[in-house]
Amino acid sequence: DIQMTQSPSSLSASVGDRVTITCRASQSISKFLNWFQQKPGKAPNLLIYGASNLQSGVPSRFSGSGSGTDFTLTISSLQPEDFATYYCQQSYTTPLTFGLGTRLEIK
Amino acid sequence: EVQLVESGGGLVQPGGSLRLSCAASGFTFSSYWMYWVRQAPGKELEWLANINQDGSEKRYVDSVKGRFTVSRDNAKNSLYLQMNSLRAEDTAVYYCARVEVLMTYHYYYMDVWGKGTTVTVSS
Repeated sequence: DIQMTQSPSSLSASVGDRVTITCRASQSISKFLNWFQQKPGKAPNLLIYGASNLQSGVPSRFSGSGSGTDFTLTISSLQPEDFATYYCQQSYTTPLTFGLGTRLEIK
Repeated sequence: EVQLVESGGGLVQPGGSLRLSCAASGFTFSSYWMYWVRQAPGKELEWLANINQDGSEKRYVDSVKGRFTVSRDNAKNSLYLQMNSLRAEDTAVYYCARVEVLMTYHYYYMDVWGKGTTVTVSS
């Protein structure tokens, strides 16, 4: 199975900060990488697919990059509603696998 | 409105069975792959199974293979997950998700999720 390693596991930041979350795959997955945001008690919400494609309706302050084994999710200017947990997920092969998540907290 | 609504969760004893349902509306259900994903309390997301549009292709994660069965009824716009031989470690919120595909690059992604149904396995 492909292991997805996210870092950091938690992060404290302030409104307006630029934040970057990284995700590393245990083998090359080309650009088959998706990012989700999840708030407590809610279902995940798709942010980015294919490593860098912004899902319809997602604010443009979210962006993704990377290919192969190393990927990043960047939030250019944090808004209050962005404090949540973020997951990467590989769609290269089954079993599909998720990272352990990055919890983004208010400083 | 595009919507997925899970049901069928509850409290079950170890070794018991449950059948989860996922009712789809607002889109042509028969045109989409579908996934089941779960999340144990305080844990990360875990993909469980997928099924193609006509139900002829199914795949499972090893931890549920042989115990869980995914199926669908396109006439009823419904997805199912039959769960047998349940264990304490199956306690989780279970989500169904629609799979969108960007065919140019074969990108598969879960673009619509239900709110989830909670399964608790305990004596």
